[in-house]
Amino acid sequence: DTEVTQTPKHLVMGMTNKKSLKCEQHMGHRAMYWYKQKAKKPPELMFVYSYEKLSINESVPSRFSPECPNSSLLNLHLHALQPEDSALYLCASSHITGRHQPQHFGDGTRLSIL
Amino acid sequence: AQKITQTQPGMFVQEKEAVTLDCTYDTSDQSYGLFWYKQPSSGEMIFLIYQGSYDEQNATEGRYSLNFQKARKSANLVISASQLGDSAMYFCAMSDGGATNKLIFGTGTLLAVQP
Repeated sequence: DTEVTQTPKHLVMGMTNKKSLKCEQHMGHRAMYWYKQKAKKPPELMFVYSYEKLSINESVPSRFSPECPNSSLLNLHLHALQPEDSALYLCASSHITGRHQPQHFGDGTRLSIL
Repeated sequence: AQKITQTQPGMFVQEKEAVTLDCTYDTSDQSYGLFWYKQPSSGEMIFLIYQGSYDEQNATEGRYSLNFQKARKSANLVISASQLGDSAMYFCAMSDGGATNKLIFGTGTLLAVQP
């Protein structure tokens, strides 16, 4: 079992729907990440939160809206998505201070846009 | 700019044999971290092993070891005594240890363990 929990595991939505992906960790990590991963490709970084503040937005379209309500939770709000947004969405968390810290990933949400 | 290169798109190995997955990196930073992740077909990314740029000894975690050759800028993953459950995609990654601990991933190697 992973220590980063993502819900839902699968999501099918139409292009006009609004939905949210959720991520939770209880490892005391103060950095949290959203990645998008297409089949047979490496994960692509979307957003980074550091101490609950958005520190990196990798030029992600505004139809993806991240939110970090507290140090344990990370949400990704979805609206008016396109078919090319279908992918595996991975959440990760890590310590910030100290030497290079491994990121710990959740199981991901498989998103399909109809 | 940092870059990770994995030149083996796919690899086969017989069960119980050892296998080496190649990873080379490029960075001008003196301090960096190197990681290997395993991703089974189910999707989860599993952290396997870490090597810091200042670590003098190669990292080991159970059946996984990292062959770190700093002068060659390589960080190969060695899996000993392969098991069928080792069949997965393997990603090499590097962090710069900056404020956001950003990871740069390689393109991955798909490992198939044959009985």
